[in-house]
Amino acid sequence: EVQLVQSGGGLVQPGGSLRLSCAASGLTISGYWMTWVRQAPGKGLEWVANIKPDGSERFYVDSVKGRFTISRDNAKNSVYLQMNSLRAEDTAVYYCARDHGDWGQGTLVTVSS
Amino acid sequence: DIVMTQSPLSLPVTPGEPASISCRSSQSLLYSDGYEYLDWYLQKPGQSPQVLIYFGSNRASGVPNRFSGSGSGTDFTLKISRVEAEDVGLYYCMQTLQTPYTFGQGTKLEIK
Repeated sequence: EVQLVQSGGGLVQPGGSLRLSCAASGLTISGYWMTWVRQAPGKGLEWVANIKPDGSERFYVDSVKGRFTISRDNAKNSVYLQMNSLRAEDTAVYYCARDHGDWGQGTLVTVSS
Repeated sequence: DIVMTQSPLSLPVTPGEPASISCRSSQSLLYSDGYEYLDWYLQKPGQSPQVLIYFGSNRASGVPNRFSGSGSGTDFTLKISRVEAEDVGLYYCMQTLQTPYTFGQGTKLEIK
């Protein structure tokens, strides 16, 4: 059974930082693009970032460019999202996902003073 | 950015009846490899989204065969041949042709 198990997240003040992790089991991520998607409370889905299988290319939605960094460690079968300079509008449930496939359970990030 | 437009946004269905959701993109999702870069997801209440259909018409592993995807270019359709109670939730289309990937607004399927 494929599982993407997420960790990290929580409450952070505006301007603060958080790192989200996503560990895969039952799946070797090295062959796949990996993605982060978020969902603000009561809202739809928003793609945030993705990363090429070998990590050589990364793409971001404009609203997080320069603040968020997606990375991966294929040896640890894991993907990460480093979030800096967090804003209230970044408050959302964040999901990691394999392109065209499985999703993690989601982790809530709340940015508030 | 590619704009994705779904219709309807609300879909009340009687169990056993068919259902259909439309998704239109602001530009063609056909890539030079011959694939349509359009996925369908279902987010059941309180759960993470799960993939139903990828590359326009390929049913994901474990997805019941009452779900089917069709279409090409800019017009796509998700069909459920006979709706069951467990199919309630929000359905999203998503284009993965170019970044930023973009989603439709979501279609809420409910049981009459």
